[in-house]
Amino acid sequence: GQNIDQPTEMTATEGAIVQINCTYQTSGFNGLFWYQQHAGEAPTFLSYNVLDGLEEKGRFSSFLSRSKGYSYLLLKELQMKDSASYLCAARRAGSYQLTFGKGTKLSVIP
Amino acid sequence: NAGVTQTPKFQVLKTGQSMTLQCAQDMNHEYMSWYRQDPGMGLRLIHYSVGAGITDQGEVPNGYNVSRSTTEDFPLRLLSAAPSQTSVYFCASSSAGQRNSPLHFGNGTRLTVT
Repeated sequence: GQNIDQPTEMTATEGAIVQINCTYQTSGFNGLFWYQQHAGEAPTFLSYNVLDGLEEKGRFSSFLSRSKGYSYLLLKELQMKDSASYLCAARRAGSYQLTFGKGTKLSVIP
Repeated sequence: NAGVTQTPKFQVLKTGQSMTLQCAQDMNHEYMSWYRQDPGMGLRLIHYSVGAGITDQGEVPNGYNVSRSTTEDFPLRLLSAAPSQTSVYFCASSSAGQRNSPLHFGNGTRLTVT
């Protein structure tokens, strides 16, 4: 089955860098997604990793290690608008379903 | 572009009432799904569909029914509402053609059952 763990809450300072970790246990793995969800809104897609390594998209980067069942989302030059929940989700091989972690609530403080 | 459209945005039901949450997408996505989101529980999959006429159960299907008569629509029916079904419901769709195709979410339906 799939068991996805990520920290419940994190706090970081405006302008700083923060790393949000995610570990997963999958019986067949076919990709790791990160989503951002502002309070009261729908999740929006941030990044996708299926191979080991770093994917960079502007201020956001995501890393995957398949052998360790580990991913992280790196947010640089934090802005107040980055305060949101960040959801890690894994896709199982041969399936379109996504299983989500419980999300990490990030608070950016001045 | 409309994307994924959910109606209603808010709903209050009494215990035992039934209702249908509507979901429509205009992206010609084969895969559609329903999640519920509760505090401290994250997003949990209720039902999903990989195409018209095909549906299957997710992690928490009890008390909910779905059907998929067209590619565009995927309604979720609550047969007899219970307070435990108070939640935020999200419909999401994705293309089945690419493995990196992300889920696109509707804006959610906030349901309260009293």
